[in-house]
Amino acid sequence: AQTVTQSQPEMSVQEAETVTLSCTYDTSESDYYLFWYKQPPSRQMILVIRQEAYKQQNATENRFSVNFQKAAKSFSLKISDSQLGDAAMYFCAYRRTGNQFYFGTGTSLTVIP
Amino acid sequence: EAQVTQNPRYLITVTGKKLTVTCSQNMNHEYMSWYRQDPGLGLRQIYYSMNVEVTDKGDVPEGYKVSRKEKRNFPLILESPSPNQTSLYFCASSPIGQGASGANVLTFGAGSRLTVL
Repeated sequence: AQTVTQSQPEMSVQEAETVTLSCTYDTSESDYYLFWYKQPPSRQMILVIRQEAYKQQNATENRFSVNFQKAAKSFSLKISDSQLGDAAMYFCAYRRTGNQFYFGTGTSLTVIP
Repeated sequence: EAQVTQNPRYLITVTGKKLTVTCSQNMNHEYMSWYRQDPGLGLRQIYYSMNVEVTDKGDVPEGYKVSRKEKRNFPLILESPSPNQTSLYFCASSPIGQGASGANVLTFGAGSRLTVL
């Protein structure tokens, strides 16, 4: 079975600093998709960034970027110039070609003013 | 506005009383799915559907039923709820296929907080 592991239950970062959230996954497939979702206190799930496994280039979205290491099955999220609005629970997710989704247990990010 | 709508948003019920959580999307997405979120466990997939009349079990289907009679609707049915089904539930949808815009990206509903006493 596929699993997604987020080993950091909680992280904190100073406003304007950079933080990296870790995610590893287990799969025997070569074609899949990886995502980071953000869940603020409103509970709404918001897509932060996605990566197709067949693409070697790391995805970026403004202040958010990933470090995708396919051989190591690692998919970390870097948040640059952290803002107070970045405070949320962050979930790493894996989607296999059979269309099942697997989520990690989440990392709660606190941004310190 | 493109969205996934879940109802009810909050529900308190008692053990054994059948309930249905509705989910509707207005984006003509083929793929729809249900998740439950529990502290320390993240989100776990209950059921998913690739299209009308096509449904498949996720990781935690026990105690739940779904149906997909129309493309836009994907209700979650708890025939005989039990306290261990107290959770936050999310419905989500996405287009499928490599060429579809936003393919494989889930759009989530706002969540339904269910308490079973």
